Amino acid sequence: EAQVTQNPRYLITVTGKKLTVTCSQNMNHEYMSWYRQDPGLGLRQIYYSMNVEVTDKGDVPEGYKVSRKEKRNFPLILESPSPNQTSLYFCASSGDLSGGSYNEQFFGPGTRLTVL
Amino acid sequence: QKEVEQDPGPLSVPEGAIVSLNCTYSNSAFQYFMWYRQYSRKGPELLMYTYSSGNKEDGRFTAQVDKSSKYISLFIRDSQPSDSATYLCAMKGGTGGFKTIFGAGTRLFVKA
Repeated sequence: EAQVTQNPRYLITVTGKKLTVTCSQNMNHEYMSWYRQDPGLGLRQIYYSMNVEVTDKGDVPEGYKVSRKEKRNFPLILESPSPNQTSLYFCASSGDLSGGSYNEQFFGPGTRLTVL
Repeated sequence: QKEVEQDPGPLSVPEGAIVSLNCTYSNSAFQYFMWYRQYSRKGPELLMYTYSSGNKEDGRFTAQVDKSSKYISLFIRDSQPSDSATYLCAMKGGTGGFKTIFGAGTRLFVKA
C-alpha cells in the first residue's frame, strides 16, 4: 500500500530534550516536506527536500533541522524543543521519476507533539 | 498580510446545497492552485489542482482560478454529510519554486 508513515504519532516531552520525528514514504517520491498545523494558522511549511541531500527552508524553519540521506526518509529534528513548538506535524511527499505530479502531495497521519 | 487568506468558517449547510469555498492571495507569481480536504484527526488529501487560470471539474467538485483578481474557488454540488471536513486551499510556483503556501482552512458541516 502506497503511504507516508510518521513516528511517533503522539509525543509529550519537556523543554530542551532533543527529539526526532521520523517520516518514510514507499512511493519513490523525490519531493518531501514537513508542515506544522496550528489552529487559525493552517499548514505552514517548515522544510522541504527536492531529493537526497537537497533541502531548503520553508516559511517557519527556526528551531528545526532536517536531513535527507535516503530517498525514502526525511526525519525532522528538534534539537532543543520549546513550548511554542507544540503543534500537529505532518510529513508529505510527491513526485516520482515516472512522471507523478509534484502538485499532489501525499500526507502522513500526523504527529501530535506537546512540549512542556 | 498573509500571502493566502481563507475564511475559517465554520460553514454549515443542509444536505444537497451548493457550497462555495474561496481563497484570496497576494503573490501574483503563484501558478499552481490546489484544494485539499482534511477529515478530523487525518492528514490532508488532494481534491483537485489547476494550473494558471480557468475552471476544472471533477464529479461534484469544480475549481475556479481567477488570476486577475487573485481569487480561487471550490464549488461542491449536491453536498453530502460525508463532505463535512476542513477544506484547505494551497498555492505554489513562480519565485517560490517548490515552496507551498496553505490557507488556514474552512471548516464545513453538511447537515442531513
